[in-house]
Amino acid sequence: NAGVTQTPKFRVLKTGQSMTLLCAQDMNHEYMYWYRQDPGMGLRLIHYSVGEGTTAKGEVPDGYNVSRLKKQNFLLGLESAAPSQTSVYFCASSLRGDYEQYFGPGTRLTVT
Amino acid sequence: SQQGEEDPQALSIQEGENATMNCSYKTSINNLQWYRQNSGRGLVHLILIRSNEREKHSGRLRVTLDTSKKSSSLLITASRAADTASYFCATDRASYDKVIFGPGTSLSVIP
Repeated sequence: NAGVTQTPKFRVLKTGQSMTLLCAQDMNHEYMYWYRQDPGMGLRLIHYSVGEGTTAKGEVPDGYNVSRLKKQNFLLGLESAAPSQTSVYFCASSLRGDYEQYFGPGTRLTVT
Repeated sequence: SQQGEEDPQALSIQEGENATMNCSYKTSINNLQWYRQNSGRGLVHLILIRSNEREKHSGRLRVTLDTSKKSSSLLITASRAADTASYFCATDRASYDKVIFGPGTSLSVIP
């Protein structure tokens, strides 16, 4: 039972490059979330999903896209990376939106 | 805009002392949650308190909720160096889809 896993753990991109972050959970949770964490800002919700095949925008969705083709996976894509997207990205899942969330270990992304 | 705001932003105490952190929010909620984040790690859930509850305990943690004042407090008793972490409150704005995290309180427990 691995919980929530994220791939990769670290990544350095050049401005304009693209990449996909993968989140996987093995708890059969319906809800999945992508957050970014910047110093002094807490966690800000980028996109979330309330079930397989669904996605919705959070507080800071611009510059990101997501897909939830399988219940256990939630992908976060950056089509054209910008230095402002340098951050630590966390994925989380929960049984229901107002229940406790289980977090992955994070992906540290640097865009130069 | 952030729903929850923790206070203080940073707190430094000696081992064995109690630590109190507060969270204020703006709109009605179903539940309020507290999370801990150790440096470089993901968040870990501590306690969930429902809007019809006033107090909840878990080991050395005590959470109170005052819906009339739209505020909550997290008390850690007999603190240990291992309690050094950032603590976040999360509120749902009466939505069943997502929660909003506050900016957090950074707690340092000095041995």
